[in-house]
Amino acid sequence: QQQVKQSPQSLIVQKGGISIINCAYENTAFDYFPWYQQFPGKGPALLIAIRPDVSEKKEGRFTISFNKSAKQFSLHIMDSQPGDSATYFCAASDNNDMRFGAGTRLTVKP
Amino acid sequence: KAGVTQTPRYLIKTRGQQVTLSCSPISGHRSVSWYQQTPGQGLQFLFEYFSETQRNKGNFPGRFSGRQFSNSRSEMNVSTLELGDSALYLCASSLESSFQETQYFGPGTRLLVL
Repeated sequence: QQQVKQSPQSLIVQKGGISIINCAYENTAFDYFPWYQQFPGKGPALLIAIRPDVSEKKEGRFTISFNKSAKQFSLHIMDSQPGDSATYFCAASDNNDMRFGAGTRLTVKP
Repeated sequence: KAGVTQTPRYLIKTRGQQVTLSCSPISGHRSVSWYQQTPGQGLQFLFEYFSETQRNKGNFPGRFSGRQFSNSRSEMNVSTLELGDSALYLCASSLESSFQETQYFGPGTRLLVL
């Protein structure tokens, strides 16, 4: 029943590098695409979100790229830092439902 | 502003029992949603409440129920607990809509069913 597929499952990046996480969705009714960051023992926190009327959104070191025709979106973390080490979830929603990707465990090595 | 608070933080129950979890949203937020997080199934939406009414419901059995009070505080109840109900239960609040705007998550209640 998973409608949002996320990859990779885990990612190791060197400090200063670029982390890229990809998601694909199936339901074309989805119109809100947030990314969440979760640290151990904490609830998820919204990082950045995009709607399908734009192809890219940037907030600081975090960028979402959105491809509506391919039904794919991705998170890019520029200049990755050890403090970015966490689990990242993509999500897709419409007015009635929200589906999450399975999560990506990011480790940024100093 | 205080964040979303959930009580209790940890809970141990046995099969067949029932449990009630509580969530206090951020002041002024009227939408409260509940999610189940497990290693196997990931994050799954349970239900959303808005103005004391259940607005949306995920694909969970009727053993899972909830309610919202006039001050927006919410509770969820799981009856006849099963081993598979062991999970982190997360509550999130937003101003008007959990699915169309920023929602703020609480730290969760970790439930262990023995």
